[in-house]
This record gives sequence, structure tokens and C-alpha cells, in this order.
Amino acid sequence: EDKVVQSPLSLVVHEGDTVTLNCSYEVTNFRSLLWYKQEKKAPTFLFMLTSSGIEKKSGRLSSILDKKELFSILNITATQTGDSAIYLCAVPMYSGGGADGLTFGKGTHLIIQP
Amino acid sequence: EAQVTQNPRYLITVTGKKLTVTCSQNMNHEYMSWYRQDPGLGLRQIYYSMNVEVTDKGDVPEGYKVSRKEKRNFPLILESPSPNQTSLYFCATRKGLAGSGEQYFGPGTRLTVT
Repeated sequence: EDKVVQSPLSLVVHEGDTVTLNCSYEVTNFRSLLWYKQEKKAPTFLFMLTSSGIEKKSGRLSSILDKKELFSILNITATQTGDSAIYLCAVPMYSGGGADGLTFGKGTHLIIQP
Repeated sequence: EAQVTQNPRYLITVTGKKLTVTCSQNMNHEYMSWYRQDPGLGLRQIYYSMNVEVTDKGDVPEGYKVSRKEKRNFPLILESPSPNQTSLYFCATRKGLAGSGEQYFGPGTRLTVT
């Protein structure tokens, strides 16, 4: 059975700290992994990763994929209270000609304390 | 403005009273999908649609129906709602049938069945 596992499930840090969120996967027909941020509303897209070892970066957020060890990490440096959210990792499921949907991990609930 | 809209945003109903949650997108995307999000279980796919008149079950389809008569609309139907369908529901769309896997989410519908 395909699965996506995130850790930790919950994390509380102080503003200015650096955090690393983890996502491991066991998926057939793997092609890509996506990270989303969810505040009190719908998930919003952060990154899509398809190749091992190539870092994707957006401001203080960065992510990298290891296809050999089957995991990805999301780093946030110099955290701010606005980074408080649930961070979701997802892997598209592929069959036939297209991706049928996304299998999500349970998310990491990140709380940044001032 | 590109968007995915859902209605209603909040609904409290009683067991057995049929309801429909609408989803509409203005991005001309072929693929549309419904998810439910529950504490401790994360986001799980209910149904998806590759195109007009093409729908298929996701991971948790029991108790739900969908239809895709037009490209822009993908309503979720609960013929006889039960309390275990109390959840936060998201509609999502994706451009194309294959490729990135990135999905765009609607704002969510919070459903309570008493």
C-alpha cells in the first residue's frame, strides 16, 4: 500500500529558529513530491520536487528530495510567527495516462512562538 | 482571477437530509477532485474526475456521489448524510491529466451532520 509519512507531527519553536520537516514515502510509479502550506484555510502550493539532490528555494523556505532513500525535507530558516501552519507533503498517484490524485501525509503542525 | 469556488462554505444539517456541495473552477482544468480532511487522518481523496462524464473513486468514496456534466463544475452529493461525514471538504483542480500533479484547492466547506 502506498503511503506518505511525515515527522514530526507537531513542532513548537521560537521565532528565529531553523526547522526541518521530514517526509518519507513508499509509492509505486513515483514521479514527484509536493509540499503545501495550510493555514486556517485551503492548502497552498510551496514546491514540487522531481529530481534528487536539486534544492528548491523560495525565500526562507527550501526543500530537497532524496529518491534513493525515499524522503524529502522542508527547511525553514529564521522562522517567523507567520510561518505557523500545517505543512503537508503529498505524492501524486499515477495510473494509466495521468495522476489520479494526491496521497497526503498527516502533516506537521508547526507553531512559532514569539 | 483564476479560482476554485465552493458553496456552501459552512453547513450544519441533520442525518439523512440529502445535500449537495458545489465546486466550480474558471481555469478550464480537465481534472477535478474532492478531498475530506479530518483531525489525525489528514486529507483523503473521495472522488476524482479526469474530464466531463469521467469520474472514479478515490480512497474514501462510501456515502458520496459525484457528477461531471460540465467541465467547470464538479458537485459532491451526500444522498443520506451521517454524522461520520462531518468533516472539512476541499475541491481541487489540476491542469491536464499528467505531469506536475500540483493541485489548486478551493476554500473548503465545513460540514456538520447531527
